[in-house]
Amino acid sequence: AQSVSQHNHHVILSEAASLELGCNYSYGGTVNLFWYVQYPGQHLQLLLKYFSGDPLVKGIKGFEAEFIKSKFSFNLRKPSVQWSDTAEYFCAVLMDTGRRALTFGSGTRLQVQP
Amino acid sequence: NAGVTQTPKFQVLKTGQSMTLQCAQDMNHEYMSWYRQDPGMGLRLIHYSVGAGITDQGEVPNGYNVSRSTTEDFPLRLLSAAPSQTSVYFCASSLLGASLNVEQYFGPGTRLTVT
Repeated sequence: AQSVSQHNHHVILSEAASLELGCNYSYGGTVNLFWYVQYPGQHLQLLLKYFSGDPLVKGIKGFEAEFIKSKFSFNLRKPSVQWSDTAEYFCAVLMDTGRRALTFGSGTRLQVQP
Repeated sequence: NAGVTQTPKFQVLKTGQSMTLQCAQDMNHEYMSWYRQDPGMGLRLIHYSVGAGITDQGEVPNGYNVSRSTTEDFPLRLLSAAPSQTSVYFCASSLLGASLNVEQYFGPGTRLTVT
């Protein structure tokens, strides 16, 4: 079955540290890739998306992600995190299976300490 | 343009009660779906619809019913609530084009507690 894995469940960083959150998926067909962020008590917001073209995509708030097709990965990065980045981050994949629904990873809770 | 709206925001039910979670979108999106979010499990698909009159099951459909009588609305019904249905429920919608290059828009969620 198709799946999405986020291996980091809880990450604690100090402000100004660099961030990389891993995301891998298991599906051999065409995919579109997304990272969502959920701030405490709020709903999902789209950080960035990859449809095609340049595998390095830039999103809002200084986040970027790189799609490596050979590794089935779509890791999220930020060079310098801020306290306001404290949130839960979800990787999601849209696969060409006909269902048109996103398959989500289990999420990574990021805690940034001032 | 309100996007995707969900009501109520919070709900407490007793085991065995029924209720309907409402979802509406004003973007003329053909595709609508319901997810539940549980700690450590991300979001899981309950039901989805590709247009009025057409619905199908997702990963975790048991205990939930849906219908799609209009393009705008996609209510989720719990027929007999169970504590295992305590969760946060998100509705989402998107266009339904030939390609996958579409973005899904999420509602603000409904936090449901079943006691």
